[in-house]
Formats: sequence, structure tokens, C-alpha cells
Amino acid sequence: DIVLTQSPATLSVSPGERASLSCRASQSISKNLGWYQQKPGQAPRLLIYGTSTRATGVPARFSGSGSGTEFTLTISSLQSEDFAVYFCQQNHNWPAFGGGTKVEIK
Amino acid sequence: QVQLQESGPGLVKPSETLSLTCSVSGYSVDSSSSHYWSWIRQSPGKGLECIGYIFYSGTTNYNPSLKSRVAISIDTSKNQFSLNLRSVTVADTAVYYCARWTIVAGLDWYFDLWGRGTLVTVSS
Repeated sequence: DIVLTQSPATLSVSPGERASLSCRASQSISKNLGWYQQKPGQAPRLLIYGTSTRATGVPARFSGSGSGTEFTLTISSLQSEDFAVYFCQQNHNWPAFGGGTKVEIK
Repeated sequence: QVQLQESGPGLVKPSETLSLTCSVSGYSVDSSSSHYWSWIRQSPGKGLECIGYIFYSGTTNYNPSLKSRVAISIDTSKNQFSLNLRSVTVADTAVYYCARWTIVAGLDWYFDLWGRGTLVTVSS
């Protein structure tokens, strides 16, 4: 089974700063990776699919990159509503999620 | 606006069966071959875990780690699908979500719509 490892577990960032979140796959998954945002008490929301394509309604400050085993979600200028937990997800063999990165206010 | 809503008991005793239903509004579960209907759970210990999914025809696929205890069914006339998880233990305590699994851009599958989730606690 492919395991997704996210780092760091927690990222402390000031509003307006840039945040980079990492997701590493235990074997190559080409570009078949998605990112989700989850706020407290809410369900996850699809942000990015196919490594780099933003889902409908997702602001342009969110961008995704990578391929193979290394992937990055970048938030160019953090807004107050962006402080949340972010998960990556892949579908090779079985849908599976990474452990998440919590983006908190510094 | 498409919405998914989970319903079912919030407390289940160990060794009993956990049963949840997901009601879909604003969209017919049998209107497209681009979607599967899924159950996902989230717990502090295991994170997000896909339990299984079902096509409108009734075809199912289950997480190998849960396969012996899981059954997912669909009722297109009621526009809902259901989860049964047998012989539960405290390890099955989690927030359970129903979600739509969609093939996007013809390339890969993602969970594009989620219910709000329901907490199920396994305890005597």
C-alpha cells in the first residue's frame, strides 16, 4: 500500500506570509494527488486535484506542485480563513489520506 | 445545491452493528457514471480512512482492513445509501462522513462533496 507522509505536522505562520506544506508518497503516484482543507467541526473540502488544478471556487493563492513522490501545497499569502488542517490524498489501489498538517497562527 | 446528510445512532454497544444512512438532495445518485458514493471515517488514532464505496448499480468495493465487517447498500428510489459495520469495538469510534467520489477531468478520482459528518461512539 502507498503511504502518504505529510510534513510538518504543525506549521506556525503569520497572516500574509507564505506557507509550504509537503506530502511524500512511499512510491510514485505520477500526478494523481489531491489536497483537502478541513476547518474545526467541518468536513474536508477539496482544494486541489491532479497535483495542481484548483477546484471550483478555490482562491488563486492556493497552488499545488510536484510529481512522482514529492508534492507541495503552497498558500502564497495566508488569510485568516486559511488557518486549518490540510490533507493530501491519493487513489493508487485504494483511496488514502496523509496524516495532515495543521496551519496555525504564529 | 447538492447536499449529503448522515443519520443514525450516535452510540453503539461493542459487538453490535453500526448503521448509518446518507441522504442525498439536489442530485440523483443514479444520474451519472462519474460518481461513486462513499463512506469515510476520521478518528484521532487512524486519521481519515476510506471505508468503502458503491456505484448506483450496486457494485461495491471495501477497504481490505474492514472488508469482513462492512456492507454498503444503495436505494436509488430514496436517493440514499447506507453503511453497516458489524461487530464494532471501541476502535470504531469516529466521525463518519458520507462523500461523493468523482472522476475529475477524466483522470482521477477525488472526494468532491462531503456530508457534515456524524460522531459515532462505541461504548457499553
